[in-house]
Amino acid sequence: EPEVTQTPSHQVTQMGQEVILRCVPISNHLYFYWYRQILGQKVEFLVSFYNNEISEKSEIFDDQFSVERPDGSNFTLKIRSTKLEDSAMYFCASRVRVLEKLFFGSGTQLSVL
Amino acid sequence: GESVGLHLPTLSVQEGDNSIINCAYSNSASDYFIWYKQESGKGPQFIIDIRSNMDKRQGQRVTVLLNKTVKHLSLQIAATQPGDSAVYFCAENPPGGTSYGKLTFGQGTILTVHP
Repeated sequence: EPEVTQTPSHQVTQMGQEVILRCVPISNHLYFYWYRQILGQKVEFLVSFYNNEISEKSEIFDDQFSVERPDGSNFTLKIRSTKLEDSAMYFCASRVRVLEKLFFGSGTQLSVL
Repeated sequence: GESVGLHLPTLSVQEGDNSIINCAYSNSASDYFIWYKQESGKGPQFIIDIRSNMDKRQGQRVTVLLNKTVKHLSLQIAATQPGDSAVYFCAENPPGGTSYGKLTFGQGTILTVHP
């Protein structure tokens, strides 16, 4: 079965540094998402992206966050100036269309020191 | 507000038993529900979904039941195997335009299957 691929699997950074998390969604998918999961907590929605623009974002997704689909295959999440509370597992997800299976990647574990 | 919760945080069963994992949701307008399995170090893996116009849906060894009257969702796993040990999440997708894909996840139930 096709997979959503995320790199790196682990990212350690210093507080205040910029990080870029990378994802390659499944090739024929049109809807793209970022979720995150703080250790021991629920998976939380961050942002959805369709037709080269953000379609919805949560309160967590503030001005420090941005997403981009630069080349038609990659989908990136950038955190401009990381905070300690940004430490979490970040999941990329994609689907062909709404009300279809949402496929998740294996995640990037971000640790902010 | 919207929330999805689970009645039981842990469930231990013997191999070969049937397992039932429950979930309560609060948004009566949600029209699409999904069960995910998450193994350690991996992302959520789709198990089965159901739309609100259905009460029951069956997959391979799994069945999802939806009771809209009491806003309850359950996942039944037949002949549970050690490989089924994982955290199971229910998630709901509220209706309307760009809200599709904005899944609201429950807290998760840890299923442990003993050989």
